[in-house]
Parts: sequence; structure tokens; C-alpha cells
Amino acid sequence: NAGVTQTPKFQVLKTGQSMTLQCAQDMNHEYMSWYRQDPGMGLRLIHYSVGAGITDQGEVPNGYNVSRSTTEDFPLRLLSAAPSQTSVYFCASSYEGVGSAGELFFGEGSRLTVL
Amino acid sequence: AQTVTQSQPEMSVQEAETVTLSCTYDTSENNYYLFWYKQPPSRQMILVIRQEAYKQQNATENRFSVNFQKAAKSFSLKISDSQLGDTAMYFCAFMKHVDSGTYKYIFGTGTRLKVLA
Repeated sequence: NAGVTQTPKFQVLKTGQSMTLQCAQDMNHEYMSWYRQDPGMGLRLIHYSVGAGITDQGEVPNGYNVSRSTTEDFPLRLLSAAPSQTSVYFCASSYEGVGSAGELFFGEGSRLTVL
Repeated sequence: AQTVTQSQPEMSVQEAETVTLSCTYDTSENNYYLFWYKQPPSRQMILVIRQEAYKQQNATENRFSVNFQKAAKSFSLKISDSQLGDTAMYFCAFMKHVDSGTYKYIFGTGTRLKVLA
């Protein structure tokens, strides 16, 4: 059982380049989300999805796009990378139902550096 | 708006001793959940313990327990018999259901705990 898988784990970009952070989960979770983690700021929500075809903005969505074509995958796209997007990114999923209290299941994180 | 405050950026504890990490939150909601997540140096976040606000009994998971004071909006984590593997960043988090299938999480800024041999 892989859980939540993120790729790549490390990436260095130049300002203006684009890239996609991949996230896949094999737990059939409807809810998926992307967070960024910055020193002294905890985790901040970028975008989230409550199911295939449904996405919404979180607290810090500017500069990022997402899509949810399947239940399993929730990629995060940086359209034109900026140094302010240097951060560690986490994908997390959750489910609603018997036994769930809404806990998040996290991927291992992706460290992105924008030069 | 909800907020979560962890006032201790860093803490240390001797191996086998007990340590308490503080967390306070602010909300006008009555139904919500509280969590402690652990982020070891490997970086992956894992759930330590959770508490439903409607439950008066404090949650316990082996060496981890919470002191949930709903009126005071306090949710501290106690780690007993600390082990070297407890060294990590610990995040307190507040969650409420927004609507079906949608959750709103607010995370604190974290407490870095170091267990000393």
C-alpha cells in the first residue's frame, strides 16, 4: 500500500520556468490537497479537491494551477516559477466516512528551489 | 477566523523524561477536530493523535496523550518516556467540516522537539 506518492522529491528551477509536481494516492480518497511549508509559517493550503473534476483555491493559490481528472491524481503546476515559490510542498489526502475524523495522509514532500 | 498558536518554537527533553507541547486555538465553532502531527527529519508528516471536540475524554495513544481544555481552547500534547525517535517537528492542527467532503485545516507554526541521549 503506497499511500500518497509525490514526485519529484527535489527540484531546482530557474525563474520563469514551469513544472508540475505529481501527486498520486491509492486509497480511493475523495479529498486531496496541496500545502506549502515555509519556516515559521506552518503549512498553508494552496489548492484542494473534493473529487474528480472539482477543485478550489486555498489560502495561497496565486502562481499555481491544479486539475483533478481522476480520483487518484492531483498534480500541482507552477506556470512561471518565482523565487517566492521556493518551499517544501506536501500533497495530502483524506476521506469522509466510517472511522474517519478527517485526518490527513501526507506524501513525503517535494523540496523546490527557484533561483 | 480560526487560528492555531504554538508558542514554543523549540524544546528539548532528556531521553525517558516527559515533555508537554502547548497549543492554543481560537474558534467560534462547537464541532471540530484537533490533531497533532509529527514531522521527523525524513520530512513525511504522520498523525500522532486526534481529538474530537465533542468528546470530553482526553485522547491517548501509547506514550502520547493530550490535555484538551475546550473552554480554554487549549490542546497540549504530552509525550511520556521520551525516545530518540520522538525528535521531530510537531504541528498542532484544527479542522472543521465545511460541507460534505470538504475540510478546513489550520496548522500552527510547529514546535521543534529534540530528545537528548
